Amino acid sequence: EAGVAQSPRYKIIEKRQSVAFWCNPISGHATLYWYQQILGQGPKLLIQFQNNGVVDDSQLPKDRFSAERLKGVDSTLKIQPAKLEDSAVYLCASRKPGQLYEQYFGPGTRLTVT
Amino acid sequence: GESVGLHLPTLSVQEGDNSIINCAYSNSASDYFIWYKQESGKGPQFIIDIRSNMDKRQGQRVTVLLNKTVKHLSLQIAATQPGDSAVYFCAETLSGSARQLTFGSGTQLTVLP
Repeated sequence: EAGVAQSPRYKIIEKRQSVAFWCNPISGHATLYWYQQILGQGPKLLIQFQNNGVVDDSQLPKDRFSAERLKGVDSTLKIQPAKLEDSAVYLCASRKPGQLYEQYFGPGTRLTVT
Repeated sequence: GESVGLHLPTLSVQEGDNSIINCAYSNSASDYFIWYKQESGKGPQFIIDIRSNMDKRQGQRVTVLLNKTVKHLSLQIAATQPGDSAVYFCAETLSGSARQLTFGSGTQLTVLP
């Protein structure tokens, strides 16, 4: 079974630029999460999707962050415009139907904003 | 607000010894706890979980202990190996939270040869 795929693995941008991250969850996993992990901290949930609908985006800074999962499979997370404090690893995770809590994480995208 | 935290940010153990990683939680409503392992450059990987109505659960070389009286969680790794070197996170989930996880800040485990 292929794992959660993310791209790009690394991205360096200047502040005020925009950036997009892509995630392909494990096949059949209806629930998809985006997390932000700042260096030295645990992952922090940004948004949760169930199929193509948003379950919770209460911690997503909506003035600059957006996410979509139009066909209920792949997802993209966008930041526009980026700030220095957005430097972090952005993790995508998915969970299969019937499993309560075990999430499968991708390798993440390391974003550096200069 | 409520949070999950760890007692020690770093832990060094000799190869072959047992490791104990601790975690404190503050929300008594949490009903499920999970330990994740994160190796450098990779996403977190599920290790073991425990429901709040249990005190102990064992897996392969790992044991999780839950003490609800003092709101403490621990992960024990038997016969620690070099491949166990990683950051370990505990996470909690709350009843009715749409099964979302709240992660602590992690403990860096280093296995010495």
